[in-house]
Amino acid sequence: GENVEQHPSTLSVQEGDSAVIKCTYSDSASNYFPWYKQELGKRPQLIIDIRSNVGEKKDQRIAVTLNKTAKHFSLHITETQPEDSAVYFCAVENSGGYQKVTFGTGTKLQVIP
Amino acid sequence: EAQVTQNPRYLITVTGKKLTVTCSQNMNHEYMSWYRQDPGLGLRQIYYSMNVEVTDKGDVPEGYKVSRKEKRNFPLILESPSPNQTSLYFCASTTSAGNTIYFGEGSWLTVV
Repeated sequence: GENVEQHPSTLSVQEGDSAVIKCTYSDSASNYFPWYKQELGKRPQLIIDIRSNVGEKKDQRIAVTLNKTAKHFSLHITETQPEDSAVYFCAVENSGGYQKVTFGTGTKLQVIP
Repeated sequence: EAQVTQNPRYLITVTGKKLTVTCSQNMNHEYMSWYRQDPGLGLRQIYYSMNVEVTDKGDVPEGYKVSRKEKRNFPLILESPSPNQTSLYFCASTTSAGNTIYFGEGSWLTVV
């Protein structure tokens, strides 16, 4: 089955700095790569996603890049703010007619004011 | 309001006592799933369902059962709970594969 590795497990940055979280996956047939943010005590919520036919996607301060050849994708957060503090999960899905989703183990991001 | 509702939110039970966690979505989504979240292990898929009467195992199905008799409901059944099933459980739904997953608020389950 799919194997997803996420690094780092914890990340502390100063407010205003950038944060980068990386995930690697094993199944070359995977074609959908979302990122979810989970604030303390809350449910995970989608913040950005990318499909295998796209190399990069940006939404304001958040961007995701995908390298299909190397089988890795990254979340980039620029100009971090205290409200970015949360746990971030990458996920990998093969959307070929069924919904087998594999999540990474999560990155706890702390933005220090 | 579009939502995924799961109950109970908090439960302490004893080993071996059958329990059911209910899940209902009002978005007419085809796909529904159950996940468990454990420290250091992230979210792991227990079971998923692509439509009524169509279910399949995720990564950690042992000790769990599910059913999908109606499109909106997807209960998780623990026939004989054990302490290693103590976890935070999330029900989720989506329109189809490769789209946003909407999670319920989570159910904290403790088995003693």
